[in-house]
Amino acid sequence: NAGVTQTPKFQVLKTGQSMTLQCAQDMNHEYMSWYRQDPGMGLRLIHYSVGAGITDQGEVPNGYNVSRSTTEDFPLRLLSAAPSQTSVYFCASSPNGAYEQYFGPGTRLTVT
Amino acid sequence: AQKVTQAQTEISVVEKEDVTLDCVYETRDTTYYLFWYKQPPSGELVFLIRRNSFDEQNEISGRYSWNFQKSTSSFNFTITASQVVDSAVYFCALSEAPGGSEKLVFGKGMKLTVNP
Repeated sequence: NAGVTQTPKFQVLKTGQSMTLQCAQDMNHEYMSWYRQDPGMGLRLIHYSVGAGITDQGEVPNGYNVSRSTTEDFPLRLLSAAPSQTSVYFCASSPNGAYEQYFGPGTRLTVT
Repeated sequence: AQKVTQAQTEISVVEKEDVTLDCVYETRDTTYYLFWYKQPPSGELVFLIRRNSFDEQNEISGRYSWNFQKSTSSFNFTITASQVVDSAVYFCALSEAPGGSEKLVFGKGMKLTVNP
């Protein structure tokens, strides 16, 4: 099992550009989430999904879109990148709410 | 609203010292889960422990131990005889049922440096 994979590992965007951060898991987990990690802020939840076709907002959803068309994939879209979105992004999955989340290796995004 | 406070932001110890990482949480739910994660300098997040709100038993795993006290809303983590490999940022996190672990609320993290 590859676990949770994220691509790309690094990305530099210009302000106003859009892009999609990819997240995939091969553990057949129903639950998937996106977090961002900023210095001194811990991790904050952006969006989450409890199954294919079901998504909801977390603490900091503005400027991001998600969809969950399959159990395996949970892409995060930045609609119009802003410098405030410079961060490390982590995708995570879990079998259900009673278990821990398994995290991907992260994507380091810089918006100039 | 749920909240996790890790009051210590950074601790530096010498190898073989014991160190305790504090975690205080706030929640209105009676059913919830508490977690500790480790983030070594390489950046990945490593799961350490999960505890549900109905299980107040302390847990020991090798040099790691956890003390869960509902009366003080605390879930503290102790590393005994610390080693250089323990150097990392440690996060405490909380999730409330029925949402479960897909909606973790993290503390801001505590950076532990263990010096040889």
